[in-house]
Amino acid sequence: AQSVTQLGSHVSVSEGALVLLRCNYSSSVPPYLFWYVQYPNQGLQLLLKYTTGATLVKGINGFEAEFKKSETSFHLTKPSAHMSDAAEYFCAVMGANFGNEKLTFGTGTRLTIIP
Amino acid sequence: GAGVSQSPSNKVTEKGKDVELRCDPISGHTALYWYRQSLGQGLEFLIYFQGNSAPDKSGLPSDRFSAERTGGSVSTLTIQRTQQEDSAVYLCASSLLRDSYNSPLHFGNGTRLTVT
Repeated sequence: AQSVTQLGSHVSVSEGALVLLRCNYSSSVPPYLFWYVQYPNQGLQLLLKYTTGATLVKGINGFEAEFKKSETSFHLTKPSAHMSDAAEYFCAVMGANFGNEKLTFGTGTRLTIIP
Repeated sequence: GAGVSQSPSNKVTEKGKDVELRCDPISGHTALYWYRQSLGQGLEFLIYFQGNSAPDKSGLPSDRFSAERTGGSVSTLTIQRTQQEDSAVYLCASSLLRDSYNSPLHFGNGTRLTVT
């Protein structure tokens, strides 16, 4: 079965510093990978999704994710953290078979921004 | 409404009671998902509907859990004889198509269930 592993349930960074949230996926071809974000008291929303053939995927709010097949990783980054980035971030993978389109989520990483 | 609506937003119930959680998806969305979010557990898939049928019920934790969807719209998740371990936030999501890649999931704000 498809799965993703998020390393670090909590990450704290200073405002203006680099944000790096880690996600590794179980090997599968093709991997349909996503990052979702849950801001406080809001529902989850799509941040970005992997595009076949791309190595760097751009999302909303300045976030990017780099796909590395050799490392089976899809880490999320942002060059400069902003206070409004404080949220919980979920990596997810979609089943590649017809009839198995559900998203399987990681356990999430709570991002705290230090002023 | 414009988004996925879930009710109630909070529910406190006594152990052993039955509860019903409701989800109103975005109009026209054919796919509907239920997830459970527990502290430290991330999002746990429960069940998926395409129209009124449920091709994937693999995530339902026990036979105390059931869900239905009527008219291709509203869905109800029922938990019978609730246990304390059922305490969690229950999230509903809908998408226009069954293809989650080309049709992103839209999540509601969830129902926080507390079993005392």
